[in-house]
Amino acid sequence: DVKVTQSSRYLVKRTGEKVFLECVQDMDHENMFWYRQDPGLGLRLIYFSYDVKMKEKGDIPEGYSVSREKKERFSLILESASTNQTSMYLCASSFRGKWQETQYFGPGTRLLVL
Amino acid sequence: SQQGEEDPQALSIQEGENATMNCSYKTSINNLQWYRQNSGRGLVHLILIRSNEREKHSGRLRVTLDTSKKSSSLLITASRAADTASYFCATAPRGATNKLIFGTGTLLAVQP
Repeated sequence: DVKVTQSSRYLVKRTGEKVFLECVQDMDHENMFWYRQDPGLGLRLIYFSYDVKMKEKGDIPEGYSVSREKKERFSLILESASTNQTSMYLCASSFRGKWQETQYFGPGTRLLVL
Repeated sequence: SQQGEEDPQALSIQEGENATMNCSYKTSINNLQWYRQNSGRGLVHLILIRSNEREKHSGRLRVTLDTSKKSSSLLITASRAADTASYFCATAPRGATNKLIFGTGTLLAVQP
């Protein structure tokens, strides 16, 4: 079974802090994704990576950066957390096939920025 | 605006009844996928239907795809209380390699 793990289920941070969210997958997937989920807005793509050290902006990259130094690990960084970044953050991974393949999700990190 | 729009936003049924959710989208797609999310958890993939397929079954799930109307439906037959969750459609736009675009979801409540 594919397993995608996220470093924290719940996180509370102060405005201005640097926040690291870690995601690890164990299925040798090429693609990894970070989404945020807010009520009424569904899932919105922040960044994705299709290979080590490669990244592409999603729909809402402002205020975020990412790092992919190893194939199995994809980190989301909030350089200076703000209250409007309070949200549920979901990591996912997939094979890089000819077309868009099934994505496998982690359990999510609920981040509260005070 | 969202590529995938689910309808209805919320649905409440009795155990044993069927539940139908619809998804409409705007652009050409390679495939369409349905996911389930239990409260406060990650999403779980349910079924994928490719653009050249019209209907697909998996257990109690039936998915249809009408590319001429740019719409899909998910039918859950003989629902159970454990089916209570949010259901999302995700479209794989043609030309947008590797990305899925998720809708805002349908919240299904199955009353025991």
